Amino acid sequence: KQEVTQIPAALSVPEGENLVLNCSFTDSAIYNLQWFRQDPGKGLTSLLLIQSSQREQTSGRLNASLDKSSGRSTLYIAASQPGDSATYLCAVVPASGTYKYIFGTGTRLKVLA
Amino acid sequence: NAGVTQTPKFQVLKTGQSMTLQCAQDMNHEYMSWYRQDPGMGLRLIHYSVGAGITDQGEVPNGYNVSRSTTEDFPLRLLSAAPSQTSVYFCASSPGTGRNQPQHFGDGTRLSIL
Repeated sequence: KQEVTQIPAALSVPEGENLVLNCSFTDSAIYNLQWFRQDPGKGLTSLLLIQSSQREQTSGRLNASLDKSSGRSTLYIAASQPGDSATYLCAVVPASGTYKYIFGTGTRLKVLA
Repeated sequence: NAGVTQTPKFQVLKTGQSMTLQCAQDMNHEYMSWYRQDPGMGLRLIHYSVGAGITDQGEVPNGYNVSRSTTEDFPLRLLSAAPSQTSVYFCASSPGTGRNQPQHFGDGTRLSIL
């Protein structure tokens, strides 16, 4: 059974720091992996989607990498800002069976001004 | 620019009551889904639909029913509410089968069962 883990559960960093969020999954047979952002009391916003054949995706200050063989993905945030404070979740779509997302429990990020 | 709209935003029910959570999207997306989010457990898929007239079960379907009579709407029905169904419920949609398309989420319905 596919399981998705995100460590740490919470993280506080000073403004301007570059940081890395981690996502691990137990079964390397995935169709894609997505990173989402969730603000308090809000739904999820898709940040980056990496297909299984890709190694990384970039959007502005965000860069997500995927290493299927080791079951890992990282989300790199450059020059963090207080507005980046949110919960970040990753989710995978298994390569076989019906289409469904399996989510990690998220990393709650706080960027201090 | 509505996207995915969920109503109501908050609801309190008594054990045994029934209710319907509404979800509507105006992007002509074929794929729609319902999740529940509980502390420490992430989001879990309840039911999903790949198009009008087609629905299937997700990871935690017990106690919930869905239907998809139109492309736009995907209501979630709680048949007999139980305290274990206290949660935040999210509806999401994607174009096509959704496999390689980002999901668009609503703002959620916060449901408490007393």
